[in-house]
Amino acid sequence: DAGITQSPRYKITETGRQVTLMCHQTWSHSYMFWYRQDLGHGLRLIYYSAAADITDKGEVPDGYVVSRSKTENFPLTLESATRSQTSVYFCASSDRTSGVAKNIQYFGAGTRLSVL
Amino acid sequence: KQEVTQIPAALSVPEGENLVLNCSFTDSAIYNLQWFRQDPGKGLTSLLLIQSSQREQTSGRLNASLDKSSGRSTLYIAASQPGDSATYLCAVRLALSGGYNKLIFGAGTRLAVHP
Repeated sequence: DAGITQSPRYKITETGRQVTLMCHQTWSHSYMFWYRQDLGHGLRLIYYSAAADITDKGEVPDGYVVSRSKTENFPLTLESATRSQTSVYFCASSDRTSGVAKNIQYFGAGTRLSVL
Repeated sequence: KQEVTQIPAALSVPEGENLVLNCSFTDSAIYNLQWFRQDPGKGLTSLLLIQSSQREQTSGRLNASLDKSSGRSTLYIAASQPGDSATYLCAVRLALSGGYNKLIFGAGTRLAVHP
């Protein structure tokens, strides 16, 4: 399927476990992003990537790890999940080309993660 | 630090009403401002993007305005329909070095349009 897909859509895990959220895009967009959405906070940037093998921290990176070995994939790993990481996670991608188009971020449907 | 506030947090209106959603931001040094729609259980869909040099953008029944100097944007929805029920998010984009533009989101306005 064309577009940006996230998996799983729902995940329940326990405190201390490692969990990986997957993100895959078919457009060959250069930029990819991970956000978390919590009630009353809007979306906050966790990590972003400008290209394969280039990643950088966003506003709330603590407790998360990312990698980008291929342009189309940008997995997010919670190395030791905590209850405060219960949230909805969104992945997005954006093209590098100049003009208005490069400013548009396309979002996946989200992963709802519950840490018990 | 840039902060984005959306008022009201929730809104319920009868079908057919014209309505205004408000977004304010604390730092006027923005690259552009974007309005998104979010449906339950789904991702975000971009509705309108206003460049910092523009005053407004229109798409169908939607009109977004931007007053950068006062740190405000409004999203006007004409003749609302039940299908407009969703959460509307405002985000400002900050221009950073290295080509990456950072989005700062408001918490959203949850809109319910009832028949």
